Amino acid sequence: GDSVTQMEGPVTLSEEAFLTINCTYTATGYPSLFWYVQYPGEGLQLLLKATKADDKGSNKGFEATYRKETTSFHLEKGSVQVSDSAVYFCALRFQGGSEKLVFGKGTKLTVNP
Amino acid sequence: SAVISQKPSRDICQRGTSLTIQCQVDSQVTMMFWYRQQPGQSLTLIATANQGSEATYESGFVIDKFPISRPNLTFSTLTVSNMSPEDSSIYLCSVSQQGRGNYGYTFGSGTRLTVV
Repeated sequence: GDSVTQMEGPVTLSEEAFLTINCTYTATGYPSLFWYVQYPGEGLQLLLKATKADDKGSNKGFEATYRKETTSFHLEKGSVQVSDSAVYFCALRFQGGSEKLVFGKGTKLTVNP
Repeated sequence: SAVISQKPSRDICQRGTSLTIQCQVDSQVTMMFWYRQQPGQSLTLIATANQGSEATYESGFVIDKFPISRPNLTFSTLTVSNMSPEDSSIYLCSVSQQGRGNYGYTFGSGTRLTVV
């Protein structure tokens, strides 16, 4: 079935470092792909999304490109801040009517000053 | 996007009891979803709740343990029945919406359940 494999953490970076969190998927057809973020003590928020191949989602300095050829949707940010410390989840939306989301295991990011 | 009010935000419950979690949406939505997030883990879908029909449960989740109601297009409840410490988790409701040729998902703030 459709699934998401996400880079396991935790990831610890210094402020202004480059961030990549890998996400690959297995799906029939062409799912929509999402990155969600969960800040400490808060609910889940949509960070960015892409609905078709070669789409690039971007928000708050984060970017991810839907790569059909490598079935990937890696999250990147050029210069992380302490405030980016959170758990990041990659997710895909099933094709075929159910509309449910399937989540990766999550990657905890800690950014140190 | 929709605004979801989920309550209670947290609770501590005795084993063997049941807790009902409510999810109220400020607009009509077709599909509502209930997720569980165990400590330090990802989100796992429990069931999809459509108005006017029985909820569809994912593998490993059963109606007797997690009965769901969906009386109208803006409200749903999830009950965690006969609780044990293993049910200690965050439970979240979510809705999907489509508009202006786009769609998205909104999540409630979650119910942090501790079973003692």
